[in-house]
Amino acid sequence: GENVEQHPSTLSVQEGDSAVIKCTYSDSASNYFPWYKQELGKRPQLIIDIRSNVGEKKDQRIAVTLNKTAKHFSRHITETQPEDSAVYFCAASSGSNYQLIWGAGTKLIIKP
Amino acid sequence: SAVISQKPSRDICQRGTSLTIQCQVDSQVTMMFWYRQQPGQSLTLIATANQGSEATYESGFVIDKFPISRPNLTFSTLTVSNMSPEDSSIYLCSVAWSNTGELFFGEGSRLTVL
Repeated sequence: GENVEQHPSTLSVQEGDSAVIKCTYSDSASNYFPWYKQELGKRPQLIIDIRSNVGEKKDQRIAVTLNKTAKHFSRHITETQPEDSAVYFCAASSGSNYQLIWGAGTKLIIKP
Repeated sequence: SAVISQKPSRDICQRGTSLTIQCQVDSQVTMMFWYRQQPGQSLTLIATANQGSEATYESGFVIDKFPISRPNLTFSTLTVSNMSPEDSSIYLCSVAWSNTGELFFGEGSRLTVL
């Protein structure tokens, strides 16, 4: 079935450094790739998304890229700050029913 | 955006009992979903709540165990029936914003079954 793999499961970086999370998907029909942030005890919230007609998208310190040929997408955050500490989920969707296939999540730890 | 109110926020229940979780949205939405999230895990879709018809369940989830109601476009309930400790989890209501596909989540209901 459809699958989204996410790596790494845990990522620890020094404050101010960059962090990259990578995901691969199996369904070539996938055309929507959101990234969600979930702080401890809170609900998931969308931070950025990218669609299949775009190769890269930037929003301040965050950049996401999509490689449709290789079926992988990634999220790069620069100048990390303590408030970036959270679990991040990538996801993929291929239909108009808004159902997402979720990655396993990456726990990002920002060391002061 | 959508504002979602979900209750209860948490509950401790006895084995064999049932609990109903309510989800109220501040605007009419077509797509509404129920997710389960085990501690430290990703989100697992239980079902899509369809207004005026039976919910669509994902593999591994059945209506007898997780009956869902969706009487209108702003409200839904999920019941966890005949609970066992394995049902201890966070249950999340979610709606899709049709203009963008973005999912908005309720705050979740943390269920502990003793």
